[in-house]
Amino acid sequence: TQLLEQSPQFLSIQEGENLTVYCNSSSVFSSLQWYRQEPGEGPVLLVTVVTGGEVKKLKRLTFQFGDARKDSSLHITAAQPGDTGLYLCAGADVTSGSRLTFGEGTQLTVNP
Amino acid sequence: ETGVTQTPRHLVMGMTNKKSLKCEQHLGHNAMYWYKQSAKKPLELMFVYSLEERVENNSVPSRFSPECPNSSHLFLHLHTLQPEDSALYLCASSQEGTGNTIYFGEGSWLTVV
Repeated sequence: TQLLEQSPQFLSIQEGENLTVYCNSSSVFSSLQWYRQEPGEGPVLLVTVVTGGEVKKLKRLTFQFGDARKDSSLHITAAQPGDTGLYLCAGADVTSGSRLTFGEGTQLTVNP
Repeated sequence: ETGVTQTPRHLVMGMTNKKSLKCEQHLGHNAMYWYKQSAKKPLELMFVYSLEERVENNSVPSRFSPECPNSSHLFLHLHTLQPEDSALYLCASSQEGTGNTIYFGEGSWLTVV
């Protein structure tokens, strides 16, 4: 069974601060996805990274896929209260394609 | 709006009740999924349907019974549930063979009393 470990599990910061969330595994993934989930709602896809070493930017969010495709990071610059939510990483199995393994998530709270 | 619609959004049921959760996707995808999300636990994949055939059942108790009548609709029939089955049940869909992106519905909050 592939496992994805996310850290930190909880993060509470002030508006304007920067932060990084990590997603690590000993397994290789064909792709990795980041989702954001608000309370009572389903996860919403933020980005999919496919190539080892790939960096994608989405406004103040920067996503990186590790060279070996075993880990990923999400960096948020100048966090805002609207960034508050549960951030989930999910890795796609190399062999079965669309089966995703989810991390436990990072609960981010950005205080005004 | 993700293109995946779940109903009901909230459901309270007794342990002897029979109820169903419904999911409909408007994305033209060929695979649909049921996930369970409980507090402090990673998302758990329950069932996978690909081209309307169940291709995965991750040791889910028989009190949960999925049904996929066509590629756009997915049901989860619930019977004789336990309080520990209370959770957010998420439906998702994807287009297999075009990458691994799956799209989630907003979820159905289930409380078993």
